[in-house]
Amino acid sequence: DTEVTQTPKHLVMGMTNKKSLKCEQHMGHRAMYWYKQKAKKPPELMFVYSYEKLSINESVPSRFSPECPNSSLLNLHLHALQPEDSALYLCASSYRDRDFPLHFGNGTRLTVT
Amino acid sequence: AQRVTQPEKLLSVFKGAPVELKCNYSYSGSPELFWYVQYSRQRLQLLLRHISRESIKGFTADLNKGETSFHLKKPFAQEEDSAMYYCALRSGTYKYIFGTGTRLKVLA
Repeated sequence: DTEVTQTPKHLVMGMTNKKSLKCEQHMGHRAMYWYKQKAKKPPELMFVYSYEKLSINESVPSRFSPECPNSSLLNLHLHALQPEDSALYLCASSYRDRDFPLHFGNGTRLTVT
Repeated sequence: AQRVTQPEKLLSVFKGAPVELKCNYSYSGSPELFWYVQYSRQRLQLLLRHISRESIKGFTADLNKGETSFHLKKPFAQEEDSAMYYCALRSGTYKYIFGTGTRLKVLA
């Protein structure tokens, strides 16, 4: 399996809802990432997990809560989001060593109403 | 400041014409640079990286430290090359800085 799989593909949620995005990879990668991509903009890093530990939080609001239950899974828990949080959320993974590039999932397109 | 600049938002070329997508970077250390591509309705994927000095789908990119550039080139564009191209700089173990992207349109 050489893919990063993200579910769901699309998600519409109200500002009071709680939802979760899921990401899975079975390539043995030990670093996993959440990126946010707005339309016609480059991906922006949100979080990085390395060996299931949170390594980077790019000052993301607490309404986004990441979780890495094991080396293959990455979740992003969403609560009390704002309409401006509507975006494509990309999961990626990589080997921890240098020179190994990112492998991206197809993303979850999130709309907050 | 660490930065990646892709000056062209859109580049249109005719099929069979040469293509050059520009990328300039600002980085104080030894740069690791990548080109990522996103075809319509497909995931963002690695096209090539400077360290491997390979040619993928006919594309090449040479790191020019003097000019701080990593331009992507292809001698003869194909319609299937139409996509969004991002230049990226690895600025730390886990941090990539992406350029704003260039949309390439190859016209028949």
